[in-house]
Amino acid sequence: GNSVTQMEGPVTLSEEAFLTINCTYTATGYPSLFWYVQYPGEGLQLLLKATKADDKGSNKGFEATYRKETTSFHLEKGSVQVSDSAVYFCALSTGFQKLVFGTGTRLLVSP
Amino acid sequence: DAGITQSPRHKVTETGTPVTLRCHQTENHRYMYWYRQDPGHGLRLIHYSYGVKDTDKGEVSDGYSVSRSKTEDFLLTLESATSSQTSVYFCAIKTSGDTGELFFGEGSRLTVL
Repeated sequence: GNSVTQMEGPVTLSEEAFLTINCTYTATGYPSLFWYVQYPGEGLQLLLKATKADDKGSNKGFEATYRKETTSFHLEKGSVQVSDSAVYFCALSTGFQKLVFGTGTRLLVSP
Repeated sequence: DAGITQSPRHKVTETGTPVTLRCHQTENHRYMYWYRQDPGHGLRLIHYSYGVKDTDKGEVSDGYSVSRSKTEDFLLTLESATSSQTSVYFCAIKTSGDTGELFFGEGSRLTVL
């Protein structure tokens, strides 16, 4: 079946550090891949997406590249800010109207 | 922008009691979803709807039922709540043609004692 595996957190960084959150997937067919972000006390928000191999999604300084050969979609940001502290979810969709989420990775950024 | 209102936002109840959570959208989006969020599990799909009176099960549907009598409302019912159903419940709507682009409500925190 379809599944998403994320690195366990929390990831603790200082402001302006480089961020990588790993995500790998297992899927039948050709999934679309997503990163969602959840700020404290809020629902999830779509951060970025990629719909086919080698696509790069980007938003708010975050990037992720759809790597079919390694079945990965790692999230990166060159310089994190305190305001980036949140829980990040990797997810995939295979077009059957359902989204499968990873377990989430908490990011804590200190000044 | 799409708008979702979940109610109640917080509820404490006792084992064995029925509970209904409501999700209301302000636009006429066809697809609506109920997820639960638990530590170590991320978000898991309970049920979803693809139109009025059209619903289907997700991966964790046991103990839950849903109804959609109007486009704008999607109800999640726990017929007899159990402690394992203590969770945060999120409603979501699909706002574009891409299946993965969901807009989420702010969540309903349910505690079953």
